[in-house]
Amino acid sequence: NAGVTQTPKFRILKIGQSMTLQCTQDMNHNYMYWYRQDPGMGLKLIYYSVGAGITDKGEVPNGYNVSRSTTEDFPLRLELAAPSQTSVYFCASRPGQIEAFFGQGTRLTVV
Amino acid sequence: QKEVEQDPGPLSVPEGAIVSLNCTYSNSAFQYFMWYRQYSRKGPELLMYTYSSGNKEDGRFTAQVDKSSKYISLFIRDSQPSDSATYLCAMSADAGGTSYGKLTFGQGTILTVHP
Repeated sequence: NAGVTQTPKFRILKIGQSMTLQCTQDMNHNYMYWYRQDPGMGLKLIYYSVGAGITDKGEVPNGYNVSRSTTEDFPLRLELAAPSQTSVYFCASRPGQIEAFFGQGTRLTVV
Repeated sequence: QKEVEQDPGPLSVPEGAIVSLNCTYSNSAFQYFMWYRQYSRKGPELLMYTYSSGNKEDGRFTAQVDKSSKYISLFIRDSQPSDSATYLCAMSADAGGTSYGKLTFGQGTILTVHP
């Protein structure tokens, strides 16, 4: 049972480069979320989706984009990477109940 | 003012101690109150959740919610070295209604239990 899978686990980007963080879940959950975690700051919501084709902005969406073409996949796109986007990114999914299941995270450094 | 405030610690205790972790919040719409545990370089995992006010116990862990004071707590009894982790409080207004179960997190408290 894979749960929520994120790739890559680590990445170093140069300023201005772009990349896509992949997130896949095999639990058939409708709700999916992207959070970023900075030291001492908890997790902040970037984008979320309530089902295929439906996405919306969270608290800190600037500099990011998402798409949700299938129930399983919820990729996060970074365009024109900036040092402020250095963070640990977590994808999560949830059925209609309380518990959210998180992936292992992607550690991104922008230099 | 942040919606959720959590004392970031860090907190270091001896094995067997009682640990108290706390969060305050300002949004009266929050109905679900959760504690997530996050081991180093791992994703958060749900430890406990409480709906509305009251207490909930699960083994060595007790979660308390006081909505009148906008204050939640997690108590860990007989703490063990394996409890060493970051503890994050999280809150949401609903499980899937108009807030879509979005979580608002506290800053996290780093707990170390030494033998």
